[in-house]
Amino acid sequence: SQQGEEDPQALSIQEGENATMNCSYKTSINNLQWYRQNSGRGLVHLILIRSNEREKHSGRLRVTLDTSKKSSSLLITASRAADTASYFCATDTFFSGNTGKLIFGQGTTLQVKP
Amino acid sequence: DADVTQTPRNRITKTGKRIMLECSQTKGHDRMYWYRQDPGLGLRLIYYSFDVKDINKGEISDGYSVSRQAQAKFSLSLESAIPNQTALYFCATSRGLSSTDTQYFGPGTRLTVL
Repeated sequence: SQQGEEDPQALSIQEGENATMNCSYKTSINNLQWYRQNSGRGLVHLILIRSNEREKHSGRLRVTLDTSKKSSSLLITASRAADTASYFCATDTFFSGNTGKLIFGQGTTLQVKP
Repeated sequence: DADVTQTPRNRITKTGKRIMLECSQTKGHDRMYWYRQDPGLGLRLIYYSFDVKDINKGEISDGYSVSRQAQAKFSLSLESAIPNQTALYFCATSRGLSSTDTQYFGPGTRLTVL
């Protein structure tokens, strides 16, 4: 079964609004990553947050991590039409050691209307 | 030029045919991965390789085989394709130096099995 589950599955907003996507996972982790996928293209890494971090920023992206609730959120502020894409969270597993294996959620499809 | 390339980009084949998908990378990474993506299921790991001599099964390896011909090349084969292997296939690489590795994805191969 999937380690990460994302909510909502689809999100449609107007340009300039903020978009929030959530990810829940099941087992202890070392870190959680967010990736972006434009339609039919490969995934691109956005941001990584370690298990001992609670919040991280990168440009218009803000990621939070709550290990007690096994959840993370990705906030995109002041969204643009170019942010239209699918967004995936991915986790390693605490007990996998340095295998580099990631488990991906099903993704949130974001549409930003001009 | 792209760091991770996949060939072919699109392939239509018939049930029972043998198919090979190829992945090449110029990033100098030791670790390579094959995923498949199905609508609503995110990415699932098929096989991964830590180096030329180290190949491991992922979550859904049945019906697939791989070959790591060199550090830069990792091929995925479907020995006898079946319709439920219709999917988008991605190759990815990572450095493998730490648990905070990120993965770099190719553009994907869209495979249709009739």
